[in-house]
Amino acid sequence: DGGITQSPKYLFRKEGQNVTLSCEQNLNHDAMYWYRQDPGQGLRLIYYSQIVNDFQKGDIAEGYSVSREKKESFPLTVTSAQKNPTAFYLCASTLTGGNSPLHFGNGTRLTVT
Amino acid sequence: GIQVEQSPPDLILQEGANSTLRCNFSDSVNNLQWFHQNPWGQLINLFYIPSGTKQNGRLSATTVATERYSLLYISSSQTTDSGVYFCAYGGTSYGKLTFGQGTILTVHP
Repeated sequence: DGGITQSPKYLFRKEGQNVTLSCEQNLNHDAMYWYRQDPGQGLRLIYYSQIVNDFQKGDIAEGYSVSREKKESFPLTVTSAQKNPTAFYLCASTLTGGNSPLHFGNGTRLTVT
Repeated sequence: GIQVEQSPPDLILQEGANSTLRCNFSDSVNNLQWFHQNPWGQLINLFYIPSGTKQNGRLSATTVATERYSLLYISSSQTTDSGVYFCAYGGTSYGKLTFGQGTILTVHP
């Protein structure tokens, strides 16, 4: 079945450590996205990528980094510079960035203590 | 920056009731989508609707681009409709989608 796989579902880290969240899709989608959701809040865009080897900052990119070396993969690194990293992270993809439905993975809940 | 506002923030219904959720946006629209987030955090795409009207079972959506709003209609609500409904707006920044704060819907049996 085609879909978006985020792993792991739950992730625990100590403050000061970098952590990388995985996102893989087998939908042959061109565009991929990372969003952050805090309790009771909407989704805020961290980074997005419309083609391989290219990505753009979203609204809250500080403290995060991404890469897009393969079409199907868009990993997100939460660095120690991110002041409040504990959140629910959602990866999404769409066939083309501008005019097709967005589909989400099941998310990774990151807790940093 | 772009403003995406959803109303109402909270909505409580009895099973079988109808409801209308609204999404206002502050600029020209190229991309407008509606999503449902279930209690486990899964986000499901309900509609891709930058303009016009679409229907899918008990749900329908309308976007009036000239007046900068979109509506999501839920008819004969069921308890499984509970969750958070988000609209996501895309304007002139190609590929960038901005989400509203959501409407929390609770349907009681």
